[in-house]
Amino acid sequence: LAKTTQPISMDSYEGQEVNITCSHNNIATNDYITWYQQFPSQGPRFIIQGYKTKVTNEVASLFIPADRKSSTLSLPRVSLSDTAVYYCLVGVRDTGRRALTFGSGTRLQVQP
Amino acid sequence: GAVVSQHPSRVICKSGTSVKIECRSLDFQATTMFWYRQFPKQSLMLMATSNEGSKATYEQGVEKDKFLINHASLTLSTLTVTSAHPEDSSFYICSAPSASGGAGADTQYFGPGTRLTVL
Repeated sequence: LAKTTQPISMDSYEGQEVNITCSHNNIATNDYITWYQQFPSQGPRFIIQGYKTKVTNEVASLFIPADRKSSTLSLPRVSLSDTAVYYCLVGVRDTGRRALTFGSGTRLQVQP
Repeated sequence: GAVVSQHPSRVICKSGTSVKIECRSLDFQATTMFWYRQFPKQSLMLMATSNEGSKATYEQGVEKDKFLINHASLTLSTLTVTSAHPEDSSFYICSAPSASGGAGADTQYFGPGTRLTVL
């Protein structure tokens, strides 16, 4: 799996938009980009997955530039409950059949 | 979405005892499940791959005789920490891939985790 680099931590305030960027310079042609969210003392939860351009769901948006060497997870109008660790993972779409390799993740702290 | 449960959610035991943790896929079948361990403020680290009907595959550095894995059925995998010691205290998480088709088919579903404290 391609290695990913994310900021260790980020701080924000309620109501702001938060953008977390992940670098994956060695991403392969068949690789997809997936983001997971983990609250303290809970298992990770799937947020969003994409291959190129932009993907949006009810929780977040994922922006992927043409060279796919990075991606940005965008959380609109965060609330206190969005305080969590966010992991960016890169791998073939069939990662459901393989174990996931987690990097250090980004610890997001949302302040009131 | 698919649900994975774990039991117990937390356990405290004395050093030298064995602890069994169950991981169940509630509304889907999983021929493969994964076990992770997470220490405080750290990321998840894969321990082993649990395979229904065959032996588990362990990651390098994980003692197979200490962490016994049994994939008893298509919906149940168990992790037994044998002769637990304080250094085994950690957060243990299992995951299972969804077998359904569609956009969400290629993601994994994680259990809520089990907090093990060895005194």
